[in-house]
Amino acid sequence: AQRVTQPEKLLSVFKGAPVELKCNYSYSGSPELFWYVQYSRQRLQLLLRHISRESIKGFTADLNKGETSFHLKKPFAQEEDSAMYYCALLNTGFQKLVFGTGTRLLVSP
Amino acid sequence: NAGVTQTPKFRILKIGQSMTLQCAQDMNHNYMYWYRQDPGMGLKLIYYSVGAGITDKGEVPNGYNVSRSTTEDFPLRLELAAPSQTSVYFCASTPRDRAYQPQHFGDGTRLSIL
Repeated sequence: AQRVTQPEKLLSVFKGAPVELKCNYSYSGSPELFWYVQYSRQRLQLLLRHISRESIKGFTADLNKGETSFHLKKPFAQEEDSAMYYCALLNTGFQKLVFGTGTRLLVSP
Repeated sequence: NAGVTQTPKFRILKIGQSMTLQCAQDMNHNYMYWYRQDPGMGLKLIYYSVGAGITDKGEVPNGYNVSRSTTEDFPLRLELAAPSQTSVYFCASTPRDRAYQPQHFGDGTRLSIL
């Protein structure tokens, strides 16, 4: 069965500090992974996808199949990064996303 | 281009009442989904549809019903509201012809059952 695990409910850092939001997954097929972000009072939106190997708002995430991980990283956190972050795994057969429970990132000045 | 539109944004129901949460998308997407988001629990899939006339259960379908008579609309029906259905409900859509296209989400409907 597919499962996405985000072990931290809350991650609190100071502005300028590095950030790593952890995501581990279990999936028997070839995984497609995403990070979604939900800012306060806004709709859920895509932050980045692993197949694009892109950097969005300074965030990157590398798929590590050996460790079954897809951690989200940013070298220098900004206050505007404070939000709820969800890791998601795509079941390609049914186009269904399986979400983790989310990590709230709080960046303090 | 409105994307995914959900109505209402907020609603309070009494136990045992029924209501329909509306979802419409104007992107001609084949796939549509309903999720619920409970505090600290992430999103869970209630029902989904791969096209007009086709629906299937997700992880937590009990207490809900859906229909998909058109490509654009995917309403979610609560027949007998229960306090456990207090949650934020999100509708989402995805096109079929782009295999890894992430889902587009609506703004959500905050539902309280008292």
